[in-house]
Amino acid sequence: GNSVTQMEGPVTLSEEAFLTINCTYTATGYPSLFWYVQYPGEGLQLLLKATKADDKGSNKGFEATYRKETTSFHLEKGSVQVSDSAVYFCALSDRGNTGKLIFGQGTTLQVKP
Amino acid sequence: ETGVTQTPRHLVMGMTNKKSLKCEQHLGHNAMYWYKQSAKKPLELMFVYNFKEQTENNSVPSRFSPECPNSSHLFLHLHTLQPEDSALYLCASSQDSRQGNTEAFFGQGTRLTVV
Repeated sequence: GNSVTQMEGPVTLSEEAFLTINCTYTATGYPSLFWYVQYPGEGLQLLLKATKADDKGSNKGFEATYRKETTSFHLEKGSVQVSDSAVYFCALSDRGNTGKLIFGQGTTLQVKP
Repeated sequence: ETGVTQTPRHLVMGMTNKKSLKCEQHLGHNAMYWYKQSAKKPLELMFVYNFKEQTENNSVPSRFSPECPNSSHLFLHLHTLQPEDSALYLCASSQDSRQGNTEAFFGQGTRLTVV
């Protein structure tokens, strides 16, 4: 079945450091891929998405590129801030099915000043 | 303001109680979802409703009973729960659950504790 695997956390970085959170997926067909972020005490918010191979999603300085050949959708940011501290979820949505989102286990990011 | 509102935000209930979680969306969406978020586990999809019809029940125990009276409202009725059911329950909505490339919008969740 479809699945998403994220790198284990927590990830601890200093402010202005470069961030990479790895995400790989297994899916039949051509899923859409998403990154969601969950700040403390809140629900999930969409951070970015990509709907086909080689698409790059970007938002708030975060980027991720849909790589079909490596079945990956790694999240990157060039310079993190303390306010980026949150839990990040990679997810896929299977077209033609119920469209349900399948999430990775989440990666906690802590950015220290 | 995410457009998806869940009440209550926190709930403590005994194993013999009956309670309900409520979700309301003002986004004009046609699909609504219940997810369970437990510590150190991936988000688990519980139920999917599309145009008020249940399209998915992810092998959820019968002590959880969903209800979708219209496209804007979704309930989760709880009875005789177990302590392991303690978790954050998240509601989400999207335009149409058959369209896999549209994002879901989430509420802030109900933190449920079963004692």
